[in-house]
This record gives sequence, structure tokens and C-alpha cells, in this order.
Amino acid sequence: SQQGEEDPQALSIQEGENATMNCSYKTSINNLQWYRQNSGRGLVHLILIRSNEREKHSGRLRVTLDTSKKSSSLLITASRAADTASYFCATVRGADGLTFGKGTHLIIQP
Amino acid sequence: DTGVSQNPRHKITKRGQNVTFRCDPISEHNRLYWYRQTLGQGPEFLTYFQNEAQLEKSRLLSDRFSAERPKGSFSTLEIQRTEQGDSAMYLCASSSPLVGQGNEQFFGPGTRLTVL
Repeated sequence: SQQGEEDPQALSIQEGENATMNCSYKTSINNLQWYRQNSGRGLVHLILIRSNEREKHSGRLRVTLDTSKKSSSLLITASRAADTASYFCATVRGADGLTFGKGTHLIIQP
Repeated sequence: DTGVSQNPRHKITKRGQNVTFRCDPISEHNRLYWYRQTLGQGPEFLTYFQNEAQLEKSRLLSDRFSAERPKGSFSTLEIQRTEQGDSAMYLCASSSPLVGQGNEQFFGPGTRLTVL
């Protein structure tokens, strides 16, 4: 079963704008990860935030984690056409497999 | 290319037939995972190996499914007596606690199964 729920399910913005996606989950976690999936490159790991971290940056990506609300957000700044993809949050409790949400489909309009 | 590879990339079979998929993980990764993804959904965890030991199986993995990793390197996923509901993308991933921050998983391109 899916633990995470991404919001919104779909998002369309203009190139250069910022995109924000949210993820909620249900159980305690060790870390939360964000992945991107497109037809060209498959599923690719973007960023990992541990349960004791609140914010993390990587290039144009900013991730926040609020364990009290069991939620995370992914911000992509200065979006590009190549950012068009589906974005998934995934939670981890140990060395177990990842539990993914249903994803946010992001479309960047040129 | 030293990424995760999966074969075949596509498989079309008739209901009731058996199919087998192969995954070759990144060579230094000791953990290997299988997932299934249907259209419009995120991947769902099926099973996990550490070296050759199968440590966890999802309840999604019915008795028609079996996975092996006999020498702790490549893995196979077999589906017996396929059903139309088995149609999905089957994804393999690998990871190592010694790489990056640990448990970042590196995914293969997947095997798309269509059961007619």
C-alpha cells in the first residue's frame, strides 16, 4: 500500500517559475527521499532528508521535513523544461524497501 | 555503463505462462530490491535482498512470485501462471550502506510486462 500522498497530483507552471510539491506520510520514518521519474531516465534519486533534519538544499532543490505533521515539501526553483517529470516522495524505516506516494506530475511550459 | 540493468525491457506473454526477469545491480551494492509499478501509481515494494539472503517480502508477493539472488550478485524474479493483473512495470533497485548517505536506491530501467 502507498504510505505517502503527494499534493497536488498534477502541476503545470511556466518555465522559470518555482514549483512546490507536498508529501504526507503515516508512520514514523528514518528518512524521507524524493525521486523523479520520466520516460527518458527512469526513476532517479534527487535528495534525502533524515528524520532529525528540518531542511536540506541541493542545487535548485529545497526539501523540508516536519515530522510532527508527518509532511515534507519539495521546492524546485527557476524551473526548466527538463524538470517536466513525475516526482515521488518515499519513506524509509530501516534497510527496508521504500514506500512511495502516488506522485506529482509536473509540467513545465516553455 | 555501471548502473542497474534489467532484462528483458519488455515482455508480452499469454495468461497462464511463466515469466522470468533478471536484474544486475551496481557491482558494489549488497542490497537489491524489487518493486512493481502500475500506471498512475508510485512503485510498490515487493521484496528485498541483502547479499543472497531474502530479508523481506511484501504481502503483494503472492505464492506465484519467487525471487532469488543465488550468489549475492544478480537477481531473478519469476512469476508463475501469469494473470492479467500482473501487467505492470517491474523495477529493480540496488543500494549500499557505504555509498552516499545510505539507502539511496539506484533504479534500473524496468521490465514492462504485458499479460494478454
